[in-house]
Amino acid sequence: GQNIDQPTEMTATEGAIVQINCTYQTSGFNGLFWYQQHAGEAPTFLSYNVLDGLEEKGRFSSFLSRSKGYSYLLLKELQMKDSASYLCAVMDSNYQLIWGAGTKLIIKP
Amino acid sequence: GAVVSQHPSRVICKSGTSVKIECRSLDFQATTMFWYRQFPKQSLMLMATSNEGSKATYEQGVEKDKFLINHASLTLSTLTVTSAHPEDSSFYICSAHDSGTDYNEQFFGPGTRLTVL
Repeated sequence: GQNIDQPTEMTATEGAIVQINCTYQTSGFNGLFWYQQHAGEAPTFLSYNVLDGLEEKGRFSSFLSRSKGYSYLLLKELQMKDSASYLCAVMDSNYQLIWGAGTKLIIKP
Repeated sequence: GAVVSQHPSRVICKSGTSVKIECRSLDFQATTMFWYRQFPKQSLMLMATSNEGSKATYEQGVEKDKFLINHASLTLSTLTVTSAHPEDSSFYICSAHDSGTDYNEQFFGPGTRLTVL
């Protein structure tokens, strides 16, 4: 079967750094996405990795290791507005997104 | 970036009525659109893949006669929830893939909050 695993909830302090991990087992691989979702809103795109390595975009970075079926999202200089759910999704061989359950990130002052 | 709109953003209806939700790609063409449902504190669940000019592909457990999907043009897909019941109350989100690019990103609409009384 297809499976995406990520922690249910994480807590971090404003100004700090947090890493959200995602492991996956899917039928084929056409890229891994990270989305941010605030309560009651649709997901917003954060990053896309299809090759191994680190992609940096401002305060957010995403890493992928295809051989390990592993990715992480790194958030630096955390702000209160970063409190949200972070969804990891893998596009399988049929170009469908397989979604993780999401990681609820709580930022404390 | 590409924009996807949904209408309405919020709807409240009586049990037994039908509700139509529109999903439009505003500045790109989408041969494929996806409909998701999300219950509170849960992740997105794919309901169906909407294909322009052909029948939608439904995920296991999703009733195709209850959730009617029509993808009549390259920029519009509609989801009709027929004979809605309170258990259909959910957040419905569509997404679209830009047919003109090789980029795999899906662009999400803002979602429709359906409440069935």
